[in-house]
Amino acid sequence: EIVLTQSPGTVSLSPGERATLSCRASQSVSSSSLAWYQQKLGQAPRLLIYGASSRATGIPDRFSGSGSGTDFTLTISRLEPEDFAVYYCQQYGSSPPLTFGGGTRVEIK
Amino acid sequence: EVHLLESGGGLVQPGGSLRLACAASGFTFSSYAMSWVRQAPGKGLEWVSAISGSGGNTYYADSVKGRFTISRDNSKNTLYLQMNSLRAEDTAVYYCAKGMLGYCSSTSCYISFDYWGQGTLVTVSS
Repeated sequence: EIVLTQSPGTVSLSPGERATLSCRASQSVSSSSLAWYQQKLGQAPRLLIYGASSRATGIPDRFSGSGSGTDFTLTISRLEPEDFAVYYCQQYGSSPPLTFGGGTRVEIK
Repeated sequence: EVHLLESGGGLVQPGGSLRLACAASGFTFSSYAMSWVRQAPGKGLEWVSAISGSGGNTYYADSVKGRFTISRDNSKNTLYLQMNSLRAEDTAVYYCAKGMLGYCSSTSCYISFDYWGQGTLVTVSS
């Protein structure tokens, strides 16, 4: 089973600042099969990034993903008020099980 | 527009059973793998089960293997999760999710999730 560790657990930032979220895998994720999701309170998750760096349909270009192997990053270039949420990474290069990271909360400073 | 609507959640006693359903629309249902993902109160996301587009292959997390059964009826565009021998630790919001890209073989299913339902709450308590 591939374990995903996200850091930091919580980050406090102001609108307009840059957010850098990390997702580290316990073993290499094949074919960069890594996705990122955003979840707001009381809502279902929303796909942001797949294939480590491809934006999903309708996702603004301030969201970008990078990385390969065991280290992946989600960057939000300039935080908008609607971006304050919890973010999860998920690997789909090894299954079963498909696994999620524990999440990073981006809160308003 | 893709739409996923879960139903069937509720309060059940430990050891009891429940069947969840997910009605899908807006896409060719039989062409896509589908999955159930759950989220315990205040916790993160946990993948539960997946099923190939044809329904011929199924996959489970170890935590539910032998107790839960995933199935689908492609004629009705509906996904199911039969949950037996429920435990307190199964308490969660259960999301139905549509598989995106990737592929499913006889032993593995490599998918991310591009659409999610709003979830249905399952509470296991006496």
